[in-house]
Amino acid sequence: GQQVQQSPASLVLQEGENAELQCNFSTSLNSMQWFYQRPEGSLVSLFYNPSGTKQSGRLTSTTVIKERRSSLHISSSQITDSGTYLCAISSGSWQLIFGSGTQLTVMP
Amino acid sequence: EAAVTQSPRSKVAVTGGKVTLSCHQTNNHDYMYWYRQDTGHGLRLIHYSYVADSTEKGDIPDGYKASRPSQENFSLILELASLSQTAVYFCASSDAAGGSNERLFFGHGTKLSVL
Repeated sequence: GQQVQQSPASLVLQEGENAELQCNFSTSLNSMQWFYQRPEGSLVSLFYNPSGTKQSGRLTSTTVIKERRSSLHISSSQITDSGTYLCAISSGSWQLIFGSGTQLTVMP
Repeated sequence: EAAVTQSPRSKVAVTGGKVTLSCHQTNNHDYMYWYRQDTGHGLRLIHYSYVADSTEKGDIPDGYKASRPSQENFSLILELASLSQTAVYFCASSDAAGGSNERLFFGHGTKLSVL
């Protein structure tokens, strides 16, 4: 089965609403990263967060190793937050294993 | 901000033809990677390199070759392109192995369509 599963697969919000994106993994964890893929396709790194909580502006990432999950919270969503959010883990070796992503659409 | 440049941005190739995707980074990073992304899926590692003149196989290397002639440049080569290789290809670089405490910096991607 898939080692990294993201939910929901897609999400539609009204501007100003909060979003909670989930990443569940079935193996032990060396590292955990969140990426944002813009609608035009380019990718940027959001967080490196193998454990605990990290915040950057309106984004908060929380990884709970013993529960094998990580979440990405987006507060007060904006139209420009629309895109795909990908999580990736490494387990054993350093190579990253990506989830399929959550496609977020923020409506005006 | 680190810079990774891919070329071309998109390409249409014929089945059986040769395709070369190029990647150039100005970050002075040792590690470079080639990933492919299929519609609705995450990224999968094809090849990577941690030093010039050396490349390593990733998770899905079959049908692909890689070349790292210098620290700045990393190419992905499809000697005999096939329909199944239609995808978006991303190049990335990092200062250390991608699963460590180092961010990956991605290029904008190359959309490859094999007809």
